[in-house]
Amino acid sequence: DSGVTQTPKHLITATGQRVTLRCSPRSGDLSVYWYQQSLDQGLQFLIQYYNGEERAKGNILERFSAQQFPDLHSELNLSSLELGDSALYFCASSVRGSGAGELFFGEGSRLTVL
Amino acid sequence: AQKVTQAQTEISVVEKEDVTLDCVYETRDTTYYLFWYKQPPSGELVFLIRRNSFDEQNEISGRYSWNFQKSTSSFNFTITASQVVDSAVYFCAPSGRAIAGGATNKLIFGTGTLLAVQP
Repeated sequence: DSGVTQTPKHLITATGQRVTLRCSPRSGDLSVYWYQQSLDQGLQFLIQYYNGEERAKGNILERFSAQQFPDLHSELNLSSLELGDSALYFCASSVRGSGAGELFFGEGSRLTVL
Repeated sequence: AQKVTQAQTEISVVEKEDVTLDCVYETRDTTYYLFWYKQPPSGELVFLIRRNSFDEQNEISGRYSWNFQKSTSSFNFTITASQVVDSAVYFCAPSGRAIAGGATNKLIFGTGTLLAVQP
């Protein structure tokens, strides 16, 4: 158990819909990261927050947005969903936002868009 | 920008064999960190090892060892006496800088190597 909690574990929805994925980092970790894992794209970095502020951004679609709240939990919002958004979405956390320090990953939220 | 190449897509070995997973990375950073993660069939990503770029001493931790060579940008990972439970996808990942140039420890993952250990 990494200590990172993601909900929901599974989600099935239809094209055009909007979903929210939630992540609670390990106690004491200030940085949160979101990754998307799909068969064709592999593990792609989406976005990182550190203590409530955006720290780094990857190839995150404009239809996707994220935020980190004062209690340090984070949400990833996916809107106008398309079939290609079906993937496993991972959240990770780390004590710091830079330098050394491994990322601890949650179990992922598997999104299926029908 | 960081780039990772894991040329081995799949490796199959028999239990107790040693196996080495290759990783070649590209980075313009002068200091960075390199990681190996494991993703077993259950799906979670598990941290295995970390190496910083300014220390090329190779290490051993239990059945795991790694060979870091900065001159060739390689960070290979070896499992000694493999076990069936080692069957997983293994990812090499250097840490990356933010696009805007700020410091970040986000990881850039390779495509992974699927290791199958047969009993």
